[in-house]
Amino acid sequence: GAVVSQHPSRVICKSGTSVKIECRSLDFQATTMFWYRQFPKQSLMLMATSNEGSKATYEQGVEKDKFLINHASLTLSTLTVTSAHPEDSSFYICSAREPGRRGTEAFFGQGTRLTVV
Amino acid sequence: LAKTTQPISMDSYEGQEVNITCSHNNIATNDYITWYQQFPSQGPRFIIQGYKTKVTNEVASLFIPADRKSSTLSLPRVSLSDTAVYYCLVGLSGGSYIPTFGRGTSLIVHP
Repeated sequence: GAVVSQHPSRVICKSGTSVKIECRSLDFQATTMFWYRQFPKQSLMLMATSNEGSKATYEQGVEKDKFLINHASLTLSTLTVTSAHPEDSSFYICSAREPGRRGTEAFFGQGTRLTVV
Repeated sequence: LAKTTQPISMDSYEGQEVNITCSHNNIATNDYITWYQQFPSQGPRFIIQGYKTKVTNEVASLFIPADRKSSTLSLPRVSLSDTAVYYCLVGLSGGSYIPTFGRGTSLIVHP
């Protein structure tokens, strides 16, 4: 199946700094990618939909100035957590769907564990 | 967007068959049903999807009754490595589909 790669898998940063997470579709072009965050023992919460060449669509309650999303190419979307604080510590996951694939199958990155100290 | 309801948790033993049922009473005519598996600290992994009747692959089977208001994921002869959270998603096939997750079912397989 198609592969989505996320980097880094784990990052620790100091409070007030910014962290960038990359999401790449390795063997297909993804015009749309999705970003989620997941707290311990909870489900995935959709943060935003990333569209290649245009602004991301953020879910209600997600601060777009804090979580900057850039989808500059058909294979790369980035999520930057700006001025990170301990409450931003979470598991961040990206996803993409392969264009033209029938049904609703999506491919997910391995996730990024962000710890803000 | 069709809402899904699953049991929060299930327990089983190695070698048993596990059936996880998902309710989606307001599923739309063109919606597909997709199941994902998630291990701790990993992204979800696609298991199976279907539209109606029965679908089987090398990992699982998916049973969908005629009214499509529910679906059952069947895992044959589970092992300890099947301990994970299983999510049922319902949505319309196509470019505008956004995978949206409900609470999922935490399956624990005991020795």
